[in-house]
Amino acid sequence: GESVGLHLPTLSVQEGDNSIINCAYSNSASDYFIWYKQESGKGPQFIIDIRSNMDKRQGQRVTVLLNKTVKHLSLQIAATQPGDSAVYFCAENIRGGKLIFGQGTELSVKP
Amino acid sequence: DAGVTQSPTHLIKTRGQQVTLRCSPKSGHDTVSWYQQALGQGPQFIFQYYEEEERQRGNFPDRFSGHQFPNYSSELNVNALLLGDSALYLCASSPDRADSGNTIYFGEGSWLTVV
Repeated sequence: GESVGLHLPTLSVQEGDNSIINCAYSNSASDYFIWYKQESGKGPQFIIDIRSNMDKRQGQRVTVLLNKTVKHLSLQIAATQPGDSAVYFCAENIRGGKLIFGQGTELSVKP
Repeated sequence: DAGVTQSPTHLIKTRGQQVTLRCSPKSGHDTVSWYQQALGQGPQFIFQYYEEEERQRGNFPDRFSGHQFPNYSSELNVNALLLGDSALYLCASSPDRADSGNTIYFGEGSWLTVV
């Protein structure tokens, strides 16, 4: 039969506001975690990563928080812009570049 | 410096047919991984090639096979295509062991539609 795509969780924010995207992971053996941005029809684009021995890392307009106790990862985007509209995925690196991806969140930025 | 390049970008196949997708890694990268991304879902790991051998494999049937050439480029082959194989197939390249996220680069993918 025909396969049906799942509806991604959607986060809608106003331009200039801050965005927080959340992700739960399952593997305790992951050595680092990555956030990717994927625009329609394109491959995933690296945003920021964080090693498993850290709990916070900041980049340009983005911050990643890691809570290993509850296996939770979040991506904060400051002053969200229309160009930030995309699907965001978290991924955990199991070993040697094998990535396990989360479901993804669609970010929609209203001008 | 060209990044990861994949071909073809789009293709349509009939159920039962076979398909071959190609990937050229970023210059300096020797490890290639393949992912399947169904509509509305995250990419799923198929397998990884290093030194022309399959080093890791995800939960995919034997209909999915691959190859890596001496120049590090790679092919993904899928036999006996099913409708459920319709997806975006992504290639990712990295240096061996990819010890940080910013060393893994994805191509734009090959869209496969099975009818």
